[in-house]
Amino acid sequence: DQQVKQNSPSLSVQEGRISILNCDYTNSMFDYFLWYKKYPAEGPTFLISISSIKDKNEDGRFTVFLNKSAKHLSLHIVPSQPGDSAVYFCAASDVGGSNYKLTFGKGTLLTVNP
Amino acid sequence: KAGVTQTPRYLIKTRGQQVTLSCSPISGHRSVSWYQQTPGQGLQFLFEYFSETQRNKGNFPGRFSGRQFSNSRSEMNVSTLELGDSALYLCASSSGQGNGYTFGSGTRLTVV
Repeated sequence: DQQVKQNSPSLSVQEGRISILNCDYTNSMFDYFLWYKKYPAEGPTFLISISSIKDKNEDGRFTVFLNKSAKHLSLHIVPSQPGDSAVYFCAASDVGGSNYKLTFGKGTLLTVNP
Repeated sequence: KAGVTQTPRYLIKTRGQQVTLSCSPISGHRSVSWYQQTPGQGLQFLFEYFSETQRNKGNFPGRFSGRQFSNSRSEMNVSTLELGDSALYLCASSSGQGNGYTFGSGTRLTVV
């Protein structure tokens, strides 16, 4: 029972263009969502998060959009840079339910071509 | 400030042995969580400790256990190791309010 799904295992974009990574969830109790970036043999690095009371959060080149009715969130990276090439994980938690664990998707490998 | 420190970085153990991994959280963080990453299953939650108490536990067998000390440092133990326990074990620390999780670099455990 995969509660957080990233249906695209990989994505390839050109430098300077927009990268859009998608994530779907099934558990309606999730109220906090995070995106992490991960390089091989390293721990995940936090990128951006969003609470369920918002539908958009922006931080520099990174914007996360949340559509609660569709149980869908997306991460936009504009403009994409070669250094953005990594695996991106979507994660969710039920903070309101004091459930302090992150449920992760299986990740999307982003490749940004120069 | 110093990040999350996990030791050792790499470990090779034999089936049937037991192993202890260590995690030192960011100073001031009272919550420590542990995750297992494998190629097939992705990142899966093991357990979370806050102020020395286990608050949440994932769906892993009892061979996986952990504890947290009064200085917030945490250890996880795996007994009777199986080949399938080979994975990257990640520790994350946070303030304990459900946000701001910072991960360490992980311990790569290989069971032979």
